[in-house]
Amino acid sequence: GAGVSQSPSNKVTEKGKDVELRCDPISGHTALYWYRQRLGQGLEFLIYFQGNSAPDKSGLPSDRFSAERTGESVSTLTIQRTQQEDSAVYLCASSLGNTQYFGPGTRLTVL
Amino acid sequence: GENVEQHPSTLSVQEGDSAVIKCTYSDSASNYFPWYKQELGKRPQLIIDIRSNVGEKKDQRIAVTLNKTAKHFSLHITETQPEDSAVYFCAATYSGAGSYQLTFGKGTKLSVIP
Repeated sequence: GAGVSQSPSNKVTEKGKDVELRCDPISGHTALYWYRQRLGQGLEFLIYFQGNSAPDKSGLPSDRFSAERTGESVSTLTIQRTQQEDSAVYLCASSLGNTQYFGPGTRLTVL
Repeated sequence: GENVEQHPSTLSVQEGDSAVIKCTYSDSASNYFPWYKQELGKRPQLIIDIRSNVGEKKDQRIAVTLNKTAKHFSLHITETQPEDSAVYFCAATYSGAGSYQLTFGKGTKLSVIP
């Protein structure tokens, strides 16, 4: 079946612009996660959605970052007034149980 | 909350040798420990996992061991091959009450030298 998909695969933007990243989870997966991975670094947790529960936003680095999820489907991560330090790969994952299935990521470059 | 420490950060081995990566965790309630492999430019993928009711699990050349008393778990790769070169992440969580959030270690970059 289809795996987790993300769009766009690459995004180049200018400092100060807003960007929106999209994640389509595996159908039926109740949990959805966003991570940030800087070059050569680990997986930095950003936000976690589980069913209809309030999302865990404890990993969002600043109020410029926000995310939404419509029911148990698509999620969007929005970064407002982008900064150069926001440059990274943004990974989305979904799960029904413990195993997280990752998408291919969106590579964001802020010039 | 949970904290996972992973060592070493980089590891180089000769092809055919064994590789061992170690992780420690802080929350004694954690009961599920997966390992993910991320090849260069690719997404992380689950390669093996272990639950706290067992001490060891094997899958061909890969094995994971768990010591609940010491709160550490390890990944063992035998007869390493060049295609094992990747970054490996360990993780830990309490699996229950409907929460599946993982705490990841910072990763180990494994290089297998032909």
